[in-house]
Amino acid sequence: EADIYQTPRYLVIGTGKKITLECSQTMGHDKMYWYQQDPGMELHLIHYSYGVNSTEKGDLSSESTVSRIRTEHFPLTLESARPSHTSQYLCASSNTGELFFGEGSRLTVL
Amino acid sequence: AQSVTQPDIHITVSEGASLELRCNYSYGATPYLFWYVQSPGQGLQLLLKYFSGDTLVQGIKGFEAEFKRSQSSFNLRKPSVHWSDAAEYFCAVGARGAAGNKLTFGGGTRVLVKP
Repeated sequence: EADIYQTPRYLVIGTGKKITLECSQTMGHDKMYWYQQDPGMELHLIHYSYGVNSTEKGDLSSESTVSRIRTEHFPLTLESARPSHTSQYLCASSNTGELFFGEGSRLTVL
Repeated sequence: AQSVTQPDIHITVSEGASLELRCNYSYGATPYLFWYVQSPGQGLQLLLKYFSGDTLVQGIKGFEAEFKRSQSSFNLRKPSVHWSDAAEYFCAVGARGAAGNKLTFGGGTRVLVKP
């Protein structure tokens, strides 16, 4: 059983608010990822990290930012949320090969 | 760049019938290959993976997949579907070596199970 946790699971906020989606893993994995998934659609990589103080943008451009100050923690921040940011955000981690996913954070911006 | 195609957006199958989900990939060499399942409102769970060796891979929940290099395919199968198999299934490809574990996902196939 993978141990990767995302909070909040669901968030409804107004336009212009700053939000942070939390992601933590207890497996000691060096690599962590954020994927964005619109309803019924494929996953797109928006950020990844191969270790502490290492972050890179993924294949899909995103206005969000990430940080990796501790191995187990990989939060995603939106400074000013807009309705176009409404989506599900999935965090994952890996050591070698497969990714282990959290249950996702579903964000709705009104 | 790698890519994954899942030609079937929806599949409806009767409970107890067999299931096959198609996956085709584009990659310059032999990639890492994965199948994940996602229930509504949940994250993704790994069903099985192929790294090397035997091209027929067994996974959890009675699923198996076969890697066919000549067809660039990694189709998922289950001999007898249960109502709990209704979910979205994603095929994914990952690059080997220093590129790390960034996975590229297909568009998914939604499986509906009729009683």
